[in-house]
Amino acid sequence: AQTVTQSQPEMSVQEAETVTLSCTYDTSESDYYLFWYKQPPSRQMILVIRQEAYKQQNATENRFSVNFQKAAKSFSLKISDSQLGDAAMYFCAYRSAGAGNMLTFGGGTRLMVKP
Amino acid sequence: ETGVTQTPRHLVMGMTNKKSLKCEQHLGHNAMYWYKQSAKKPLELMFVYNFKEQTENNSVPSRFSPECPNSSHLFLHLHTLQPEDSALYLCASSQDLTGGTAPSNYGYTFGSGTRLTVV
Repeated sequence: AQTVTQSQPEMSVQEAETVTLSCTYDTSESDYYLFWYKQPPSRQMILVIRQEAYKQQNATENRFSVNFQKAAKSFSLKISDSQLGDAAMYFCAYRSAGAGNMLTFGGGTRLMVKP
Repeated sequence: ETGVTQTPRHLVMGMTNKKSLKCEQHLGHNAMYWYKQSAKKPLELMFVYNFKEQTENNSVPSRFSPECPNSSHLFLHLHTLQPEDSALYLCASSQDLTGGTAPSNYGYTFGSGTRLTVV
């Protein structure tokens, strides 16, 4: 079974600064997808960014980018120019490309943004 | 509004009550999921429905009973719950990936959840 680990229960960042959230995963599969989800106090789980394992290029979405290291099974999220609205729980998730293909989540990282 | 709607948003129920949570999606997805999110615990997958058929029951107690009448609707029927069942219950939908090429959107879309309190 796959496992996803987020080793930072909480992180804080100054507004306009950059922060990196860590995620590692364990799998024996070669084809899969990785995601970062954001859950603000409104509770809505919002997709931030996603990465196909077969792509070597790191995904980027505006201020959000990932550092995907397939051999190391690492998938960190970098948030640049942090904004107050970025404060939320962030979840890393893994989805197999094969049968079943359910999302497995990490334990989450609470990000606080200081004005 | 993300396309997945959950009702009610909040629910308080006694241990002897029977209630149902509802989830609805109109995204054309063919897989739907129930997750439980408790404080200080990872999200726990409860049930998976693929093309209306239950494909996963993650050792969930029988006091939780899912129902999926069609690909757009998913229910979670609750009866004789315990206080430790108090949590946020999240519904999600996705396009199933089996059978070949991944669709352009291979992620899950979540609802806003139902905050359940069992008293």
